[in-house]
Amino acid sequence: NAGVTQTPKFQVLKTGQSMTLQCAQDMNHEYMSWYRQDPGMGLRLIHYSVGAGITDQGEVPNGYNVSRSTTEDFPLRLLSAAPSQTSVYFCASSDPGHPNQPQHFGDGTRLSIL
Amino acid sequence: AQKITQTQPGMFVQEKEAVTLDCTYDTSDQSYGLFWYKQPSSGEMIFLIYQGSYDEQNATEGRYSLNFQKARKSANLVISASQLGDSAMYFCAMRETDSNYQLIWGAGTKLIIKP
Repeated sequence: NAGVTQTPKFQVLKTGQSMTLQCAQDMNHEYMSWYRQDPGMGLRLIHYSVGAGITDQGEVPNGYNVSRSTTEDFPLRLLSAAPSQTSVYFCASSDPGHPNQPQHFGDGTRLSIL
Repeated sequence: AQKITQTQPGMFVQEKEAVTLDCTYDTSDQSYGLFWYKQPSSGEMIFLIYQGSYDEQNATEGRYSLNFQKARKSANLVISASQLGDSAMYFCAMRETDSNYQLIWGAGTKLIIKP
């Protein structure tokens, strides 16, 4: 039971570098989302997708891009990393056809920007 | 205005005691869902329990139950017979009907169980 798989688990970047955080799910969920969690805080929505080819911005989208070419994959791109983007990033998925079902989370990516 | 409020930033509870974690919410929707998640120090997000706005009975899952008071817009999590392994952050979240399936999250409560 893979569920939601995020890679990498840890990453250190220099300011200005770009990178892609990978997220894949094998539950055929239409809804996928990316959150960031800063120390001692709750989750803030970055971007989300309600199906392949459809993405939208969340609460804190600046500095991030997403695409959804398949149901399974939802990568998050940092365009030019900044120290303010140091955070733990979570990918989640859910089945919108069953609103009482929870979002399933990956294990997170700990990202440090120097 | 915050849609999900968790008023207890941190709590200490003696092992084996019951604990109630508060969550109040604000919505004008008639149909919505409330979720509780646990985040241990290892960092993963673990789903605990769900309450739908039309559910007539309070949700229960093992040692977890929800004290759902719709008129007061509160959905407090009750953990019975607390264990050391219950020490974690606990988050309350709400999904509104017209929210495009997004969850709105509270800031969390850090629960520490004392032996």
